Amino acid sequence: EADIYQTPRYLVIGTGKKITLECSQTMGHDKMYWYQQDPGMELHLIHYSYGVNSTEKGDLSSESTVSRIRTEHFPLTLESARPSHTSQYLCASSEPGTNTEAFFGQGTRLTVV
Amino acid sequence: LAKTTQPISMDSYEGQEVNITCSHNNIATNDYITWYQQFPSQGPRFIIQGYKTKVTNEVASLFIPADRKSSTLSLPRVSLSDTAVYYCLVGTVSSGNTPLVFGKGTRLSVIA
Repeated sequence: EADIYQTPRYLVIGTGKKITLECSQTMGHDKMYWYQQDPGMELHLIHYSYGVNSTEKGDLSSESTVSRIRTEHFPLTLESARPSHTSQYLCASSEPGTNTEAFFGQGTRLTVV
Repeated sequence: LAKTTQPISMDSYEGQEVNITCSHNNIATNDYITWYQQFPSQGPRFIIQGYKTKVTNEVASLFIPADRKSSTLSLPRVSLSDTAVYYCLVGTVSSGNTPLVFGKGTRLSVIA
């Protein structure tokens, strides 16, 4: 069982609200990722980190931001939620290497109304 | 990660063996081949990884020919619960900072 946790699992929030999706892992992995996926659609990388104080944008433009102050914690923030942000957000972590086994959290299903 | 090409979708009946082939013509010497499985509303799950010839575990087998330009994921006697999207990824495992990017994958539908 992978030790990577996301909270909340489900979130319904009004337009304009600020939200933070939490992701924590206890495996000591340096690499962490955030993906966005709509039902039945492709998995898109939106942010990643190689370690503390490192963050990079992924291949899908996103209005969200991330921070990596501690190895185990990689939160994602939306300053002002919009209906277009409605999606599932998946967090993952792995050891160094481009193709090292990645462990995924349970995901957060976000609905902005 | 090296570019990969795999079928968009496949259908199979329960009890059949399913083979999903992935092409990776530009695979590098140090690259490994990894397959993930994703069920609806869940994150992808690592299934199997290999470098050459054949790798087998309790879930699947991975066949890699000598030129390593393609690989085949084999699922023996599939059941309805094997309906999922399967992703093929190619890259190094011990170094490198290129992020993990998933392609479209192969959507396998198992029919009763």
